[in-house]
Amino acid sequence: EVVLTQSPDTLSLSPGERVTLSCRASQSINNNYLAWYQQISGQAPRLLIYGASGRATGIPDRFSGSGSGADFTLTISRLEPEDSAVYSCQQYGNSPPTFGQGSKLEIK
Amino acid sequence: QVHLFQSGAEVKKPGASVRVSCKASGYTFTDYAIHWVRQAPGQGLEWMAWINTGYGNTKYSQSFQDRVTVTSDPSASTAYMELRSLRSEDTAIYYCARYSPGLSLWGQGTLVTVSS
Repeated sequence: EVVLTQSPDTLSLSPGERVTLSCRASQSINNNYLAWYQQISGQAPRLLIYGASGRATGIPDRFSGSGSGADFTLTISRLEPEDSAVYSCQQYGNSPPTFGQGSKLEIK
Repeated sequence: QVHLFQSGAEVKKPGASVRVSCKASGYTFTDYAIHWVRQAPGQGLEWMAWINTGYGNTKYSQSFQDRVTVTSDPSASTAYMELRSLRSEDTAIYYCARYSPGLSLWGQGTLVTVSS
């Protein structure tokens, strides 16, 4: 199965800053079927990005995804306090679907 | 309003089985597959299985292959996940989620606690 490795594990940034999170796969992801989720403490995950770069319904354009093959990134521009969460990537192009371990983002 | 509503928290003894339900509302149930994902305390997300709610075909993670069964009842717009031979490591929140693509709609989660 495909192993997804996210980096960094944790980071702490200030409102207004820009952040780039990485998701690296152990092999190429078919059709770039890579999704990003935001999970605020105590809540279910929320889909941010699908197909590597497609923004899900209702997601602000501060969130953007890019990448292809085995290297993908999630960028959040102009951080806001409510962006404090764990961000996880998931690949669904290779069977079985797998998740990364998550990156915890703290907003100071 | 589209929604996935899961059954309530469960406490089970080791060796027992648990069945979690996931009822869909606000959309045509058979138009979307349902995936099951779990999250142990303080841990990341772990994919378990998915079901084509229209045809009933399934796919399972090898980690759960012989212990988990997912089914669906289109007449009730409900999907089910049964996990057998429970052990303490199965203590987790279990989520159902709709695939469309990406898991765009999630249930609220069901806490399953396995304890003697």
